[in-house]
Amino acid sequence: KNEVEQSPQNLTAQEGEFITINCSYSVGISALHWLQQHPGGGIVSLFMLSSGKKKHGRLIATINIQEKHSSLHITASHPRDSAVYICAVSEYSGGSNYKLTFGKGTLLTVNP
Amino acid sequence: NAGVTQTPKFRILKIGQSMTLQCAQDMNHNYMYWYRQDPGMGLKLIYYSVGAGITDKGEVPNGYNVSRSTTEDFPLRLELAAPSQTSVYFCASSNPSRYGYTFGSGTRLTVV
Repeated sequence: KNEVEQSPQNLTAQEGEFITINCSYSVGISALHWLQQHPGGGIVSLFMLSSGKKKHGRLIATINIQEKHSSLHITASHPRDSAVYICAVSEYSGGSNYKLTFGKGTLLTVNP
Repeated sequence: NAGVTQTPKFRILKIGQSMTLQCAQDMNHNYMYWYRQDPGMGLKLIYYSVGAGITDKGEVPNGYNVSRSTTEDFPLRLELAAPSQTSVYFCASSNPSRYGYTFGSGTRLTVV
């Protein structure tokens, strides 16, 4: 069973700061997902990646398959970025992307 | 696009009562999942389905049942509710030929 570890657990930043959240996993995967959950809210899929780097607006996700590590970066952070960021992995299973294993999440608070 | 619709959003049950959490998706996704989210823990898979008529247990299936009579609907049944089932429940769907997951907005269940 894959173990997914995220760091830090909690992160407080000032508006405008560059933010990095890390995720490591223990066994080979077919894909890694970054998810966002606002307090009391639903879960939104931000990225799914299996190699390299993806960018969407101020968010950048990278993955290093050899090191079993991924990072989520937020540039020019804003208070509306305050949320829990969750890393999840799907393991090789005939190429199907089911049965995610989740990290416990990183609570990000961005102060104005 | 409605995406994944969960009902109800909130519910309080007494110990021993039963209820059904509803989940419907309009994206023609084959794969559907039920997860529960407990404070400080990563999401855990309860049950999943790879298509109409096909369901299977996840990590924490005890006390729950599911059915998948259509592609669109994937209800989760709680029989004889227990305080340990107090949690936030998320339904999700995915399509192996496309990237990413879509989550419902969640059902917050309290068993007293």
